Amino acid sequence: ILNVEQSPQSLHVQEGDSTNFTCSFPSSNFYALHWYRWETAKSPEALFVMTLNGDEKKKGRISATLNTKEGYSYLYIKGSQPEDSATYLCAFHNRDDKIIFGKGTRLHILP
Amino acid sequence: DSGVTQTPKHLITATGQRVTLRCSPRSGDLSVYWYQQSLDQGLQFLIQYYNGEERAKGNILERFSAQQFPDLHSELNLSSLELGDSALYFCASSPGTSLEQFFGPGTRLTVL
Repeated sequence: ILNVEQSPQSLHVQEGDSTNFTCSFPSSNFYALHWYRWETAKSPEALFVMTLNGDEKKKGRISATLNTKEGYSYLYIKGSQPEDSATYLCAFHNRDDKIIFGKGTRLHILP
Repeated sequence: DSGVTQTPKHLITATGQRVTLRCSPRSGDLSVYWYQQSLDQGLQFLIQYYNGEERAKGNILERFSAQQFPDLHSELNLSSLELGDSALYFCASSPGTSLEQFFGPGTRLTVL
């Protein structure tokens, strides 16, 4: 059974603080790991697609790291802003092209 | 706006009926993915098509089927509908050579 776990489920962060959360996925048959940002009443928006062990990607104040050997990825947000409030989803994509989503981390930025 | 369109936006139907959801990918994208988002299950991958051919299958029920046409638009057919099929159905597209997926706005299906 393939399982993708995200923690924490929910997070409240003061505006201006930095934060991070985790995605755990199977360490075998890995092809890619996707991170999405999903705002309420909108569609998921791709943040990163990571394919190589040790990969680090950055987009503005958001960055992500990948460890395929141990099966985890971290998403970091530096200097949180109110517009960062959203659910952050990760999805494990295996070599058979199956895609499994975590349940997401719901981030609330407190003004 | 991702460039992926889905119709209809909302659909209300009765148990036992059949519906068709439509997706037009971004211009130039060869891959189309279908996902189901229900309250208790989160986002579930259903099926992927690449340039008209089925590429991968996820948790798609036998009552559901999909196809991708020569113009690359895709349709998801849901038949013998049950109350539990009520969900938000997303399609996403990606270029043939990249893994980044662009999601459409979704179709909300309500089965009464």
